[in-house]
Amino acid sequence: SQQGEEDPQALSIQEGENATMNCSYKTSINNLQWYRQNSGRGLVHLILIRSNEREKHSGRLRVTLDTSKKSSSLLITASRAADTASYFCATELYSGYSTLTFGKGTMLLVSP
Amino acid sequence: DGGITQSPKYLFRKEGQNVTLSCEQNLNHDAMYWYRQDPGQGLRLIYYSQIVNDFQKGDIAEGYSVSREKKESFPLTVTSAQKNPTAFYLCASSIEGGQGYGYTFGSGTRLTVV
Repeated sequence: SQQGEEDPQALSIQEGENATMNCSYKTSINNLQWYRQNSGRGLVHLILIRSNEREKHSGRLRVTLDTSKKSSSLLITASRAADTASYFCATELYSGYSTLTFGKGTMLLVSP
Repeated sequence: DGGITQSPKYLFRKEGQNVTLSCEQNLNHDAMYWYRQDPGQGLRLIYYSQIVNDFQKGDIAEGYSVSREKKESFPLTVTSAQKNPTAFYLCASSIEGGQGYGYTFGSGTRLTVV
C-alpha cells in the first residue's frame, strides 16, 4: 500500500529559485526518507530524518518532519537545471522486518 | 565500486512466457527488495528478503516469484500469471532491514509485453 502522498504532483521553477515539496503519510513511522529519480533510472537516496528529529540539512537540502501532522517537506535551495528529476518520499517502520513505502512523487522541472 | 546491477536493461516478453530479471549486489547487504513502478506512479513492493533462503511477499506478489540462494543475488521471475507485467522493475538492497540507512537501488529493468 502507498502511504506517502507528495504535493504538488509537478513543479516548474527557474534556476536559482527554491523548490519545496511536501509529503503526507498515514501511519506511525521510524523514519522518513527522500529519494531522487532521474528519468528512466533507479532511485538515489538523498536524506533521512528520524521520527524524533524535526529538521535536517544536507548541502542544499533541508528536510522537516512534523509527526503530529504526519507530514514532511523537502526544500531544495538555489535550484539548478541538474536538479530536474522526480522526488519521492518513503516511510520506514520496523516491526521485526523493515520495508519502505513510497509515495507517487513530485516531478520537478528546473529551467535555465 | 560497490553497487547493484540489474540486467537486462530492456526485456520483451511474449504473452504466456515466464521471464527472469537479474539483480546482483556486491555491497554485502543482507536485505534485498523488488519494486514495480508504473508510469506516473510510486514504487510498489513485490517481494523482499532479509536473509538468504528466506523471503516474504510484498503488496503485489501475485504473478511473481523470487529466490534467494546467495546473499548477492535476488532474481525475480515474472510468470504468465501476471496479467499486466509491462512496467519498470527496480531492485534495491540495504543493511539488515534498512533501519535508517537507506536503500541502494539498481538502474532498473523495463519489461514490455509484446
